[in-house]
Amino acid sequence: GENVEQHPSTLSVQEGDSAVIKCTYSDSASNYFPWYKQELGKGPQLIIDIRSNVGEKKDQRIAVTLNKTAKHFSLHITETQPEDSAVYFCAAGSGTYKYIFGTGTRLKVLA
Amino acid sequence: KAGVTQTPRYLIKTRGQQVTLSCSPISGHRSVSWYQQTPGQGLQFLFEYFSETQRNKGNFPGRFSGRQFSNSRSEMNVSTLELGDSALYLCASSSRQGGNTEAFFGQGTRLTVV
Repeated sequence: GENVEQHPSTLSVQEGDSAVIKCTYSDSASNYFPWYKQELGKGPQLIIDIRSNVGEKKDQRIAVTLNKTAKHFSLHITETQPEDSAVYFCAAGSGTYKYIFGTGTRLKVLA
Repeated sequence: KAGVTQTPRYLIKTRGQQVTLSCSPISGHRSVSWYQQTPGQGLQFLFEYFSETQRNKGNFPGRFSGRQFSNSRSEMNVSTLELGDSALYLCASSSRQGGNTEAFFGQGTRLTVV
């Protein structure tokens, strides 16, 4: 069945450094790839997304890249800050099915 | 614009009981999806409703059901609760059905089954 693999499961970086989270999807029909940030006690918050007709998208310190051939997509956070600490989820969706989520990455930004 | 509202925020139920959770989507959104979040399984898709019709369903037993009203509000019901149903239940609203559009999540309802 469809699945999304996400790595790493935990990631610790020093404040100011960059963080990269990688996901791989299996369903070739997937054409929409959102990233969510979940803080303790809250629901997931959409932070950036990318569609399959685009290879890269950037929003301030956050960027997402997509390699359709390899079925890989990645989240890049530059100049990390303590408030970036949270659990990040990638997901893959298609026109007929809702999202398949990755298993999450717990990011810790050390001050 | 108000976000997605889920009620109640917390619930404690006993095995064998049934429970109903409520979700009010963002105004104008007609698609409501439900997910179960557990530490071991992550976020698992339950079902999606669009214009009062269930459009997609995940791999959950028939004890899990839902419905959507004409104002797009949705309810999810779990009957004959089991300990393993303890989880955070999340509702997400979208302007369109399907998995290629932005979905916005509520805070969730944390269900504990004892």
